[in-house]
Amino acid sequence: EPEVTQTPSHQVTQMGQEVILRCVPISNHLYFYWYRQILGQKVEFLVSFYNNEISEKSEIFDDQFSVERPDGSNFTLKIRSTKLEDSAMYFCASSASRTVSEAFFGQGTRLTVV
Amino acid sequence: SQELEQSPQSLIVQEGKNLTINCTSSKTLYGLYWYKQKYGEGLIFLMMLQKGGEEKSHEKITAKLDEKKQQSSLHITASQPSHAGIYLCGADGNQGGKLIFGQGTELSVKP
Repeated sequence: EPEVTQTPSHQVTQMGQEVILRCVPISNHLYFYWYRQILGQKVEFLVSFYNNEISEKSEIFDDQFSVERPDGSNFTLKIRSTKLEDSAMYFCASSASRTVSEAFFGQGTRLTVV
Repeated sequence: SQELEQSPQSLIVQEGKNLTINCTSSKTLYGLYWYKQKYGEGLIFLMMLQKGGEEKSHEKITAKLDEKKQQSSLHITASQPSHAGIYLCGADGNQGGKLIFGQGTELSVKP
C-alpha cells in the first residue's frame, strides 16, 4: 500500500539552528501539506502546496518557515532559526485532489529544540 | 474560523463494550474525516464522510454524519485493546483541502 514517508523520525537541534524536515509523498498525489502537533495540543495546519507554490498557509507559518519541492519526489519543510516553541511533531500529508478527499499522513518527525 | 469539538476527551471502557465518540463542528461540514493516532505516531485514516446521513463502516467501527446538526459520531462495537489510541476528527471546512482537527479523544480499552 502506498504511504507517505518522513525523515528523520526524530531530530534534536539547538535553538537558532536551521532544520529541514523531509517528506516523500505518494507518487501520484499533487497536493502536499505540513501539519504540526505540539505535545498535548491539536494537530494544526501549517501550509498546503500545489503546482510548486503555496496554496494556503496559517498564521503559524511565518517567515521562519519555508517549503520546497526540490525534485519530483521530495517535499521539505525548512525552519530557518528554530525556537524552543517549534518543538513538536511535524506531519506531512499528501492527497490526490484539492477538495474533499482522503489525505494520507506520514508517521511524523518529532522535532526537539533545546 | 471553524472549530471542531470532540467529546468525550477521554474514555476508558472494558473490552467487549460499545462506545461512541462525537465530533461537533461550529460551521457547515463539507467533509468529515476520522483518524486514529497511536501515541507518538502518525495519523491513520479511518473513514471519510461527505454527505448528510452518510454512514460508513470498517470492521467494528462505524461513523455517521449528521449534516443538519453539523456533527459526526464514531461508534465502536465490542471494543478490543487494539482499538486503544487517540481518535481525531478532521474537517475540510473551506473545501481547500486544509484540515481542521478536533482535540482528540483518548480511548483506553481494559482487557
